Amino acid sequence: DTGVSQNPRHKITKRGQNVTFRCDPISEHNRLYWYRQTLGQGPEFLTYFQNEAQLEKSRLLSDRFSAERPKGSFSTLEIQRTEQGDSAMYLCASSFHEGSPNEQFFGPGTRLTVL
Amino acid sequence: GQNIDQPTEMTATEGAIVQINCTYQTSGFNGLFWYQQHAGEAPTFLSYNVLDGLEEKGRFSSFLSRSKGYSYLLLKELQMKDSASYLCAAMDSNYQLIWGAGTKLIIKP
Repeated sequence: DTGVSQNPRHKITKRGQNVTFRCDPISEHNRLYWYRQTLGQGPEFLTYFQNEAQLEKSRLLSDRFSAERPKGSFSTLEIQRTEQGDSAMYLCASSFHEGSPNEQFFGPGTRLTVL
Repeated sequence: GQNIDQPTEMTATEGAIVQINCTYQTSGFNGLFWYQQHAGEAPTFLSYNVLDGLEEKGRFSSFLSRSKGYSYLLLKELQMKDSASYLCAAMDSNYQLIWGAGTKLIIKP
């Protein structure tokens, strides 16, 4: 396994368009996380899944954002009606959780630019 | 509320030692993580502490004091490639990571 992968690596879109990002976690990992990061800040939690169940979604996340992990493997993050403030790096991470903490492994991220 | 504090930026000299401090407040606690992030890249895991004390891993060591809500990352024999941001993250009772804004470490020759 080559680690967490994300596609696309870069996305430029116009305001008002919808975008979708994909994350493929490490295969044996049951938890998958989505974060957003802007320059000079740490990752901001968006949502996470345990297997196919979405267990938590940030209260700061608007209803324009939705995520799925239909078969408990890859995940998609969709942003509808993008705004310039959505421009950021979107990071996906995965971990194996069995009741004790394990480190999260991050993918390379998708850099979104909204014009 | 939940909060992580760490310095915004630090400068050190190649070959020297630097200590990056982090204080945290979380709802419950399941450990403290340090990650390294080079510009334009994803964070990579450095260390995890859940018990008080020092964990040493090569040139990097991490310390935790649960009673003080305090951790530090110690980098020895600094190399130019250590120039990066260092992110402190505390895991709360729901096993969620609460992230600091990161400390940008600048290494000078």
